[in-house]
Amino acid sequence: DGGITQSPKYLFRKEGQNVTLSCEQNLNHDAMYWYRQDPGQGLRLIYYSQIVNDFQKGDIAEGYSVSREKKESFPLTVTSAQKNPTAFYLCASSIDQGASYNEQFFGPGTRLTVL
Amino acid sequence: SQELEQSPQSLIVQEGKNLTINCTSSKTLYGLYWYKQKYGEGLIFLMMLQKGGEEKSHEKITAKLDEKKQQSSLHITASQPSHAGIYLCGAASDSNYQLIWGAGTKLIIKP
Repeated sequence: DGGITQSPKYLFRKEGQNVTLSCEQNLNHDAMYWYRQDPGQGLRLIYYSQIVNDFQKGDIAEGYSVSREKKESFPLTVTSAQKNPTAFYLCASSIDQGASYNEQFFGPGTRLTVL
Repeated sequence: SQELEQSPQSLIVQEGKNLTINCTSSKTLYGLYWYKQKYGEGLIFLMMLQKGGEEKSHEKITAKLDEKKQQSSLHITASQPSHAGIYLCGAASDSNYQLIWGAGTKLIIKP
């Protein structure tokens, strides 16, 4: 079955530590995204990538880093520079064939808690 | 910058009753997405609307985009417990890649 997987589902981190969230898709989608979701707020875009080896900052990229070495994978690193990292993180992907307004498919999410 | 406002923030509805959720934009919508989310899970795509006046239905859920393309409504008929969750609207801006999101409407169905 095609889809997006995120791991782990729950992640605990001590202050001052970097942590990497995994996102893998087998939908053959070109574009991938990372969002952060906080209670009572909409999704906020952290980073997105349209093609392998290229990515752009979203609205709240500070304290985060990404890589896109393979089409299927788009890991997100939450660094110690992120002031308030406790949140629910969602990865998504979409077709990027030049057509407009493509549906984004979402993974199940990773809940990160900083202790 | 474009903003999306969803109303109401939360809704408690008796099972079997109808309900409507609204999503209003400060600017013209070029594409409007409706998603549903169970708490602590990913988003499930419901529908996408692009044309002014467009209406789409899936089972008991109907979504409309008004003629001026600045507001969308999601209507659920004869609500069931399976409809409970958070409904989010997302709008395409002039960029194909960045969607702007509403804060979500939390729907609770009372048996």
